[in-house]
Amino acid sequence: QKEVEQDPGPLSVPEGAIVSLNCTYSNSAFQYFMWYRQYSRKGPELLMYTYSSGNKEDGRFTAQVDKSSKYISLFIRDSQPSDSATYLCAMSGGGFQKLVFGTGTRLLVSP
Amino acid sequence: GAVVSQHPSRVICKSGTSVKIECRSLDFQATTMFWYRQFPKQSLMLMATSNEGSKATYEQGVEKDKFLINHASLTLSTLTVTSAHPEDSSFYICSAESNRQPNTEAFFGQGTRLTVV
Repeated sequence: QKEVEQDPGPLSVPEGAIVSLNCTYSNSAFQYFMWYRQYSRKGPELLMYTYSSGNKEDGRFTAQVDKSSKYISLFIRDSQPSDSATYLCAMSGGGFQKLVFGTGTRLLVSP
Repeated sequence: GAVVSQHPSRVICKSGTSVKIECRSLDFQATTMFWYRQFPKQSLMLMATSNEGSKATYEQGVEKDKFLINHASLTLSTLTVTSAHPEDSSFYICSAESNRQPNTEAFFGQGTRLTVV
């Protein structure tokens, strides 16, 4: 079993839809949870990160962590074609050291 | 700010040769850089942690004699794949942690696609 599971997609949605991206994990030692966005031929860029359980909101993006279920989510409201990218979840036991990544979900937002 | 440049973006080499990949932090200093590898349809996997002026720390299963890491300055780390074989073909990507804000964020380069023929 992989430490972090993420559906590779692709996930296709129309513009304006609410997008839900998810990851599950097995290591209860993970405390930091990150979401990265990666455009084609670019490196991943950090969208949000949360520590332990709870929600965090930044504009159209909301990250949720449920440690009891070992489940994290990223919600994108009012999705735009420019949101089309691969979204990677990552997590660690301590900050940005030794990140463990999911495979990434490819999101396609059509106009 | 916080730009990490990786070079080359693509490289094709013959089996048995060595390939060097550079990772530079352009507008910040980075004591710590990280090297990841991604095989097709798999996740990014940490290979090693590179510390300026000291030996790199390799993850379990990564051959340190095959993947040579040099972090000679605060803005440059290099990964050399020695005696490359087709199974080393992969996407290699680095990230760098700013000295000003340690353990707050690591910024990624754009990656290097290595193909060994």
